[in-house]
Amino acid sequence: GAVVSQHPSWVICKSGTSVKIECRSLDFQATTMFWYRQFPKQSLMLMATSNEGSKATYEQGVEKDKFLINHASLTLSTLTVTSAHPEDSSFYICSASVRLAGNYEQYFGPGTRLTVT
Amino acid sequence: RKEVEQDPGPFNVPEGATVAFNCTYSNSASQSFFWYRQDCRKEPKLLMSVYSSGNEDGRFTAQLNRASQYISLLIRDSKLSDSATYLCVVTLGDYKLSFGAGTTVTVRA
Repeated sequence: GAVVSQHPSWVICKSGTSVKIECRSLDFQATTMFWYRQFPKQSLMLMATSNEGSKATYEQGVEKDKFLINHASLTLSTLTVTSAHPEDSSFYICSASVRLAGNYEQYFGPGTRLTVT
Repeated sequence: RKEVEQDPGPFNVPEGATVAFNCTYSNSASQSFFWYRQDCRKEPKLLMSVYSSGNEDGRFTAQLNRASQYISLLIRDSKLSDSATYLCVVTLGDYKLSFGAGTTVTVRA
């Protein structure tokens, strides 16, 4: 199957700093990528849909000025958590969508565990 | 009401046992259904799609009941390696996935 990578896999930062997370599709081109957040013992929550060459579409309740998404190429999307606070500590997972035989399949990156101190 | 609801478990079963659990979804227009597996601190991985007629993949059997809006997963002859959280996922036929919070299964020796 298709491979999606994320970098970094884990990061610890101080409150008030910004953190950038990269999501790459390694062996395919993804016009659409997704960013999810997962708190302990909770479901994955879609934060935003990232489309190459256009602005991201954010889900209700997600601050677009705090979670900056850039999808500059067909293989790379980045999520920047600006002015991070402890409540932003979470598991951030990206996925890339590929249309196969008329169906959309999503491939997930390994996730980035963010801890804000 | 959540879009996708699951019994969180945990289901603790001995090796070789059969374990089954359901998930319910709220949107009757949902078109595609999946079970994903998520290991601790890892990303979700697709276990199997769920088809209207029900489908089997080795020791795993998935069923869909559209009338009652629930999906089930049955694991036969449980292995230690089956210990994981199983996520029920539903879509409206587009690329947007709605995840349940997961059902935790622990298989003991």
